[in-house]
Order: sequence, then structure tokens, then C-alpha cells
Amino acid sequence: SQTIHQWPATLVQPVGSPLSLECTVEGTSNPNLYWYRQAAGRGLQLLFYSVGIGQISSEVPQNLSASRPQDRQFILSSKKLLLSDSGFYLCAWDGDRGYEQYFGPGTRLTVT
Amino acid sequence: AQTVTQSQPEMSVQEAETVTLSCTYDTSESDYYLFWYKQPPSRQMILVIRQEAYKQQNATENRFSVNFQKAAKSFSLKISDSQLGDAAMYFCAYYSGGGADGLTFGKGTHLIIQP
Repeated sequence: SQTIHQWPATLVQPVGSPLSLECTVEGTSNPNLYWYRQAAGRGLQLLFYSVGIGQISSEVPQNLSASRPQDRQFILSSKKLLLSDSGFYLCAWDGDRGYEQYFGPGTRLTVT
Repeated sequence: AQTVTQSQPEMSVQEAETVTLSCTYDTSESDYYLFWYKQPPSRQMILVIRQEAYKQQNATENRFSVNFQKAAKSFSLKISDSQLGDAAMYFCAYYSGGGADGLTFGKGTHLIIQP
């Protein structure tokens, strides 16, 4: 069966520091992968989407970037964090049917 | 752009009773997909139920069922025999089928189960 992992689970970082969040999917090949952010008390916002290695689409301008170095690995990065980057980051893949998304456990990021 | 509206910020129901959560959406597409996700205190998003717009029959998954009204652009979730474990945030989501769009979420409904 397929499983999606995210780490770290929790992260506290100072303003201006770099960021690297990792997402990996097991049990499937060539999945479509997504990064979402959920700010406190708000719904989810799509950040990045990837259909394959090296292929990244960005939905909103921001100081975040994403990379897909391997088929089942999706990384969210920043060179310098802002206070507004705080939130809950969720990675998802689009499942075997291709139109429904399954989410990882998420990373809670606090920028201080 | 598509929008999803959940007009009930919070709902409360007695254990073993039935509750209905409301969702409306706006789209110009004819083919799309609708979902309800559950987010418990752990904050992981869990897929509860899906509805393909081309299907007239309402989806059902055990105690969870939907009332899909395509013309009215309405997609409500009914939870029967509510259990304490159903307490969570529930999000309605829309997907056009174009991967780059991702899911469009409503703002969520906080469901409280009274013992």
C-alpha cells in the first residue's frame, strides 16, 4: 500500500534562517505531488505542484521554493524565513485514480 | 476561479444523532470532483468521501453520505450515528481535474460531538 511521509513533524526557526521540509511517497511511481500551507484558522492554500522529476509549478509568489530531485521525493525550501511563513505544511499525492489527494502527516513550522 | 463556501463555522450534535454539514461551490466547469476531508486534532487531512460530478448517484461511505445537487452547486455531508471520534474540522474541497490547480478548499466547519 502507498504511504506518504513528512519530516520533521515540528520545527521552530528564527527569522532569516533557511528551511528544508521533506516529503516522500512509498508504494507508487511517478506520482503527482503537492505542497499546501494551512495558516492558523484558515483553509489550505496550494503552494507547489509537480508532475515529475525537476518539474515544478508555483501557485503563489513567495520566498519559498520547491524541488523534486527524485521520483518520490518533494522538498520545500527557503533561503530566509519570514514570520509570515509560520503555518502547517502538508504534502499530498494524487492517488491511483489521479483525481483525489492523500495527505501526509504535516509539518508544523513556527518562525520566531 | 473556483470558490468553495462552508457557511457553518461550527456545528454541534449529540452522540448517536445525525448531523449535516453544508457546502456550496462556484464553477463554470461541467466535469469536476468534490470531496470532504476530516482534520482531527493531529491535523492530518483524511479523505472521508468523494463525488464525481458526472455521477448522479450520491456517494456513501458507511455512516457518511453526501447530498450532491449539481444544478444548485451544493454538496452537503451527512454523518449518521455520530461518534465521539467524528469530532474534527471538516473541509469541503473541489478539484477541476487539472493537476496544476490542486484542490480548492472551503474554510472548514468545526464539528463538536456532545456525549
